[in-house]
Amino acid sequence: SAVISQKPSRDICQRGTSLTIQCQVDSQVTMMFWYRQQPGQSLTLIATANQGSEATYESGFVIDKFPISRPNLTFSTLTVSNMSPEDSSIYLCSVSPQAGNEQFFGPGTRLTVL
Amino acid sequence: DAKTTQPNSMESNEEEPVHLPCNHSTISGTDYIHWYRQLPSQGPEYVIHGLTSNVNNRMASLAIAEDRKSSTLILHRATLRDAAVYYCILRGRDDKIIFGKGTRLHILP
Repeated sequence: SAVISQKPSRDICQRGTSLTIQCQVDSQVTMMFWYRQQPGQSLTLIATANQGSEATYESGFVIDKFPISRPNLTFSTLTVSNMSPEDSSIYLCSVSPQAGNEQFFGPGTRLTVL
Repeated sequence: DAKTTQPNSMESNEEEPVHLPCNHSTISGTDYIHWYRQLPSQGPEYVIHGLTSNVNNRMASLAIAEDRKSSTLILHRATLRDAAVYYCILRGRDDKIIFGKGTRLHILP
């Protein structure tokens, strides 16, 4: 299993600013993912955070807007840059300790952009 | 990514079994069938997964059609705490989990 913590749990930010979200896992994991869940919607995969190399982004998401760091096998950050109200969402970190098996999700970071 | 089709919502009475269907007619031979659920105000949690054979665990059972083009998640005795959105997902070699809209399950007391 894997226990995931995220910081901050929530934040209210002004338009045009940036916020960095941290994800910490209690064990080393190969696969780490970032998701977004807009109000009333399902989860959308933003990117796969790769340790030691650039993240792999899904269609519609770009590095300039959502830079990701993955310095080691237990930690990752997602930055939401130059925020607008449309970025108001819950951002979730997820890990897959063993390929193909159970994936674990963090508690999420609730972001509100004014 | 192969697509899944689920009903938007379902209702069931408390303490009765629930059968949640999922169609995945374009499934490939290496895709695993995963089910996750999201309780209100929480992140998704794993329910069960399988490849070809039916699977059972403490939470649920997964019945997979012989041609693998459909599957059914079975909650044997629904409780109010099982009210959630249930997602049927095909997980391929890239190991990514792509969520669809899921089925919102309502449990009636």
